[in-house]
Amino acid sequence: SQKIEQNSEALNIQEGKTATLTCNYTNYSPAYLQWYRQDPGRGPVFLLLIRENEKEKRKERLKVTFDTTLKQSLFHITASQPADSATYLCALPRSARQLTFGSGTQLTVLP
Amino acid sequence: DTEVTQTPKHLVMGMTNKKSLKCEQHMGHRAMYWYKQKAKKPPELMFVYSYEKLSINESVPSRFSPECPNSSLLNLHLHALQPEDSALYLCASSQGPSDTQYFGPGTRLTVL
Repeated sequence: SQKIEQNSEALNIQEGKTATLTCNYTNYSPAYLQWYRQDPGRGPVFLLLIRENEKEKRKERLKVTFDTTLKQSLFHITASQPADSATYLCALPRSARQLTFGSGTQLTVLP
Repeated sequence: DTEVTQTPKHLVMGMTNKKSLKCEQHMGHRAMYWYKQKAKKPPELMFVYSYEKLSINESVPSRFSPECPNSSLLNLHLHALQPEDSALYLCASSQGPSDTQYFGPGTRLTVL
């Protein structure tokens, strides 16, 4: 069956360091992968989309990689700030209209 | 305007009540979605509307009834819910079926 795993439920890092979050999947052949941020009690907010033919994508302090051989995406936040504290979700398309979300990683950036 | 709005923000209802959740977007998106999210879990897809027609129902119990009156509005009618239906209900929209989804802030539903 299809499965999406995010490396850990919670990740604590010191302000200024780079946070690295992992998304692994099995039994998918996704054309793309998305990353979302969710704050408590709020809806997810789209951050980045990376397509299967793209190895890396950047947006400001964010960087996403996509390795279809390893079936893995890495999400990096450089120069992390306390305001980056949130839950980060990866999402894969199960079909054209069906996104399936990973369980999320709760990131806490300590001042 | 890249906003999806949802009303109400909070809803408390008894198991015999009938209530509705509302969602609105003015981005011209042709796909709209309802998700359910329990605490510390990811959003789970419930329904997808594409061009105002229900295209996906993820085997959701009939006590949840979606409605898409027009291309900007999406409703979720609730009737005879159970306490385990208490959750954050999220609406989302996208331009096309494979595009980025824009989420609303959600309605926090409590069933007593």
